[in-house]
Amino acid sequence: GENVEQHPSTLSVQEGDSAVIKCTYSDSASNYFPWYKQELGKRPQLIIDIRSNVGEKKDQRIAVTLNKTAKHFSLHITETQPEDSAVYFCAASPGGGGADGLTFGKGTHLIIQP
Amino acid sequence: ETGVTQSPTHLIKTRGQQVTLRCSSQSGHNTVSWYQQALGQGPQFIFQYYREEENGRGNFPPRFSGLQFPNYSSELNVNALELDDSALYLCASSLGRSGAKNIQYFGAGTRLSVL
Repeated sequence: GENVEQHPSTLSVQEGDSAVIKCTYSDSASNYFPWYKQELGKRPQLIIDIRSNVGEKKDQRIAVTLNKTAKHFSLHITETQPEDSAVYFCAASPGGGGADGLTFGKGTHLIIQP
Repeated sequence: ETGVTQSPTHLIKTRGQQVTLRCSSQSGHNTVSWYQQALGQGPQFIFQYYREEENGRGNFPPRFSGLQFPNYSSELNVNALELDDSALYLCASSLGRSGAKNIQYFGAGTRLSVL
């Protein structure tokens, strides 16, 4: 089955700086890669996703890049703000997340220092 | 449009007991997936229901079972509870099973503690 590795486990950046979180996956059949943000005690919230026919996707301060050959994808947050502090999870799924569900990484705790 | 809702929010059970968790999917969504999230870990896929039938299953034993109803709400049942079953149980709904329809939206979860 799919295996997703996520790094780093904790990331501390100064407010206004950029943050990058990296994930690798093992199953070359995976073709859907969402990122979720989870604040303490709250639901995972989808912030951006990318499918394997695209190399990069951007939404305001957030961007995701995908390298299918190397089987890795990354989340980039620019101009970080205090409200970006949360745990971020990457996920991967073969078949667009159908019967096999989503396989998640272990999460990155992003801390924005004022 | 209402989001995904789960009940109860918290639950305390004793080892060996049985538990039922409930999920109401987002309006218009016919697919529900259940995940287990241990403390400090990412969610792990338990199973998925599509139009009242189990559509896929992760690496969980048969004592984890589920149902989906005609209104697409769902239940997760766990028999013979073990201490390691203590976790946050998340439900996610989507418009469909595959492609662009399978973007999953999560509920806030049920925190289960097994003593």
